[in-house]
This record gives sequence, structure tokens and C-alpha cells, in this order.
Amino acid sequence: EVQLLESGGDLVQPGGSLRLSCAASGFTFSSYAMSWVRQAPGTGLEWVSVISSSGGSTYNADSVKGRFTISRDNSKNTLYLQMNSLGAEDTAVYYCAKEVGPYGGNTNGYFDYWGQGTLVTVSS
Amino acid sequence: QDVLTQSPSASASLGASVKLTCTLSSGHTSYAIAWHQQHPEKGPRFLMKLNSDGSHIRGDGIPDRFSGSSSGAERYLTISSLQSEDEADYYCQTWVTGSRLFGGGTKLTVL
Repeated sequence: EVQLLESGGDLVQPGGSLRLSCAASGFTFSSYAMSWVRQAPGTGLEWVSVISSSGGSTYNADSVKGRFTISRDNSKNTLYLQMNSLGAEDTAVYYCAKEVGPYGGNTNGYFDYWGQGTLVTVSS
Repeated sequence: QDVLTQSPSASASLGASVKLTCTLSSGHTSYAIAWHQQHPEKGPRFLMKLNSDGSHIRGDGIPDRFSGSSSGAERYLTISSLQSEDEADYYCQTWVTGSRLFGGGTKLTVL
């Protein structure tokens, strides 16, 4: 059974930093691209970042470029999101999501499994 | 212009069928999409990948009450024999190099 378990969400002050983790199990983690998707309160889903199966390619949404960094440790079956210079607009539930392919590019870039999310609140 | 457009809300009666629509913008009308379901306070769940020719692949454990079809720039999700647990938000999603895109979501109410 595929499981994705996010952690690391917290209350953080504006301008602060936070690192989210996503522990994966039930599939060969190193074979699939992974994404982070967020959902601000009462709004829809917003894609944040994607990383290829090897970690060699990453892409970020314009809203987080230069502030967020996606990474992975295939030896630990874990996905990460390092978030810096956080603002109120980053307040959201953050989900990790497994993609169906390895590349993170323009081939079958959709998600077949999702985690339950971790809440990040940016407030003073 | 948003790549994916969805109506904010839809409703249908218990036991009936409902057809949700996702419209692709000009220049993207041949794209495949995915449909995802989200219940309140829960993570999304993948329902299916839907191609421009209407062929679709359901996710693990998704019943065949959920089906997809396509016509031009429109991508449809049809839910038949509506059950109370089908009341949820439904999102369409597509992809381009370097980005993944979501529609605004449709809130389905089962009457």
C-alpha cells in the first residue's frame, strides 16, 4: 500500500524558515518524480515544486522561486521542501504527491497518490 | 487566461448521474488531464487520467461509477448512481514542462 506521510508543519513568523518532510512507503521511491502541492485555507490546489526521480531536475512555481527548494533522499525514501523567507501568503496545507513517471517534465505529469498534508501557518 | 476552467459548483440527487466539466484554454485543447477528488479536511484522491480521445485510466480502487469523456477542449467526469460520499470537491489537473496546473475546482453537492 502506497503511503505518503508529511511532517514539519508549524507556526512560523514572517521571514522565517521551515523544512517539510514526506516519508514514502509502499513503492519504489527512487523510480518516481515527486511534487509538493499546497492549499491555502478555503481555496483550491496550487502546485509548488516537482523533482525528478534521481533528483537531478527540479521545477518551481513562480510564486516560490528563489525561496523554496525541493530535494529528496532516495536512501531514506524521503522528500523535502525547504521554505525560506516565508510570508502570510505561504500559509497553507502542504501535500506531497507521487507522480506516475520519473521525469518531472512534460510526460505524464499527474499524481496518482497523495499524502494527508501538513499545515504551515505564517503569522506573527 | 487560466489553462483549466471549472464551474465552482454542481448538484445532483442521490442515485442520479452528474457530469462535471473541465475546459482547456486555447493552445492546450489536446492535453490530457487528471481528475482528483477531495473531501473536506482530507488529502486529494486520484480518480483517473483522461486523454483527449476520451480514453481513461482509473486509479486504484476507483469504482466504474466514475467515468471520463472528452470533446474538443472539454474534459468530463461523469459520476453515476450518486452516493452521499461523492459529495466533495473535484479538481482537474494537467501538466506542461516545468509546471503542473489545476483548475479551480467544482464543489459537488448530493441532494
